Amino acid sequence: DAGVIQSPRHEVTEMGQEVTLRCKPISGHDYLFWYRQTMMRGLELLIYFNNNVPIDDSGMPEDRFSAKMPNASFSTLKIQPSEPRDSAVYFCASSPPSGRLGTDTQYFGPGTRLTVL
Amino acid sequence: QQQVKQSPQSLIVQKGGISIINCAYENTAFDYFPWYQQFPGKGPALLIAIRPDVSEKKEGRFTISFNKSAKQFSLHIMDSQPGDSATYFCAREHGSSNTGKLIFGQGTTLQVKP
Repeated sequence: DAGVIQSPRHEVTEMGQEVTLRCKPISGHDYLFWYRQTMMRGLELLIYFNNNVPIDDSGMPEDRFSAKMPNASFSTLKIQPSEPRDSAVYFCASSPPSGRLGTDTQYFGPGTRLTVL
Repeated sequence: QQQVKQSPQSLIVQKGGISIINCAYENTAFDYFPWYQQFPGKGPALLIAIRPDVSEKKEGRFTISFNKSAKQFSLHIMDSQPGDSATYFCAREHGSSNTGKLIFGQGTTLQVKP
């Protein structure tokens, strides 16, 4: 298996532009998580899905952020309009279904490094 | 939001030494405590995990110790090697509803000197 795939790996954009980050989870996994990592705030959970349905979006910083999962093999995180403070590494992770939720490994992608100028 | 407090923020250890990273949590309603390891430019990856029905779990040079009464758990890396240099995150399962959601500590950057 190729693991979790994220694209692009690096994104540099100007303030006010729309940014779309993409994620392909591991096949067969039914949980998908979006995280943001910064030096100041560490690793923050933004939103997660179960079976393509958003379960908890309480970590989404504001309305400029939105996430979708149209099918089991694809998710997007969109920032519109982007701001310099959105600069961070964004990770997507997936985990398999389990009879004992919360105890399964989350498999992280390589991340997208976003720079907003 | 209920936190996981991780310490130290950074750690420098000589090759062959023992690296110790500590985490404290606030609520006893959690029953899964994983540690993730992250190398520069990579995503975090699960290193080792423990459930609080055991006080210790060992996998190779890595050991988790759990102290439920003190609400603390720690990672010990024995015979630390330069290849262990990475950032380590403790985490806990969020809430008692088995949601699959993890809350991570702030991370500890470990440098093992040759």
